[in-house]
Amino acid sequence: DSGVTQTPKHLITATGQRVTLRCSPRSGDLSVYWYQQSLDQGLQFLIQYYNGEERAKGNILERFSAQQFPDLHSELNLSSLELGDSALYFCASSIAGVPTNEQYFGPGTRLTVT
Amino acid sequence: AQTVTQSQPEMSVQEAETVTLSCTYDTSESNYYLFWYKQPPSRQMILVIRQEAYKQQNATENRFSVNFQKAAKSFSLKISDSQLGDTAMYFCAFFSYSGNTPLVFGKGTRLSVIA
Repeated sequence: DSGVTQTPKHLITATGQRVTLRCSPRSGDLSVYWYQQSLDQGLQFLIQYYNGEERAKGNILERFSAQQFPDLHSELNLSSLELGDSALYFCASSIAGVPTNEQYFGPGTRLTVT
Repeated sequence: AQTVTQSQPEMSVQEAETVTLSCTYDTSESNYYLFWYKQPPSRQMILVIRQEAYKQQNATENRFSVNFQKAAKSFSLKISDSQLGDTAMYFCAFFSYSGNTPLVFGKGTRLSVIA
């Protein structure tokens, strides 16, 4: 158990819908990272927050947005969903603003868009 | 932009044998960090080993060790005495302070340990 929690574990929804994925980092970690892992693909970095502020942005679609709240939990919002958005979405956390040490990954949310 | 290449999509090894997974990367930086992450069938991403580029000594963690060749931009992972529990996807990852992406991952190598 990494100490990072993600909810829900599984999500099935239809095209055009909007979903919210939630992540709680390890106690004491200030950074939250979001990744997308499509079938047989590596992890694609989406976005990072550090202590409530956006720190880095990857190939995140405009239909996707995220935020980190004062209690440091984070939410990833996916809207106007398309079939291609079906993937495993990981959240990771680290104590610092840069991942020079270990990132602790959550168990992931499996999103299926039908 | 930094890139990470894992040229072996799949590998297999007999239990108790040794296997080496390859990773090459492209960067113009001199200071950076390299990682190997393991993703077993449970899908949980777990850090296996970490190497700081300014350290010449290769990192080791129990049965896991790396061969870090900075000039060749190569970072291979050696697993000794392979165990069934080592069956997983292995991802090589790169970080540098100058990059836009916190971690750049390779596409992974699927390792199967055979009894």
